[in-house]
Amino acid sequence: DTAVSQTPKYLVTQMGNDKSIKCEQNLGHDTMYWYKQDSKKFLKIMFSYNNKELIINETVPNRFSPKSPDKAHLNLHINSLELGDSAVYFCASSGGDGQPQHFGDGTRLSIL
Amino acid sequence: AQSVAQPEDQVNVAEGNPLTVKCTYSVSGNPYLFWYVQYPNRGLQFLLKYITGDNLVKGSYGFEAEFNKSQTSFHLKKPSALVSDSALYFCAVSRGGSYIPTFGRGTSLIVHP
Repeated sequence: DTAVSQTPKYLVTQMGNDKSIKCEQNLGHDTMYWYKQDSKKFLKIMFSYNNKELIINETVPNRFSPKSPDKAHLNLHINSLELGDSAVYFCASSGGDGQPQHFGDGTRLSIL
Repeated sequence: AQSVAQPEDQVNVAEGNPLTVKCTYSVSGNPYLFWYVQYPNRGLQFLLKYITGDNLVKGSYGFEAEFNKSQTSFHLKKPSALVSDSALYFCAVSRGGSYIPTFGRGTSLIVHP
């Protein structure tokens, strides 16, 4: 029974396209996150969403936007994809202050 | 501001030997410290955390970590390494009351048979 699930697992698309990645958690957590992991495995937080409060990493381009239809879902929408967006994107959730994060298995985005 | 340093990109150890993966941190206020492990093509998995209490924290798969406030360190240790421990290890810190952790750059642990 997967705790944090992301779809799709792989995403190959062309520059300029718009795409979405879906994330769902069944842990009842209040906080969800999106991370980008680059080719050097460096993990960069993009967004944090807690009780309808969105905290954005200011370095993230505004082509990226999180959308949360309900507490269990935090989807990532990306407009006008660029070559530099190629990376692995991870969704995570947490039960609150001091609690560990639970990660999905990632979405591998490749831009042609 | 908060930050984490993992000074070693890679740690090599022979199977059966003890291993240490280093982590130092900087945060205002009381630190919440975490270790995660990432296997190829998988998400990060939680190993252990320090919030308060005993400085020696025990976690999954026989790992433990020692919180040292004076040295602002939280090194990950295991008495006897297994080949299956080979993976990427991340240290993370957050400030009490904050939901936003900061991750280190990761340390690749390679355990040789």
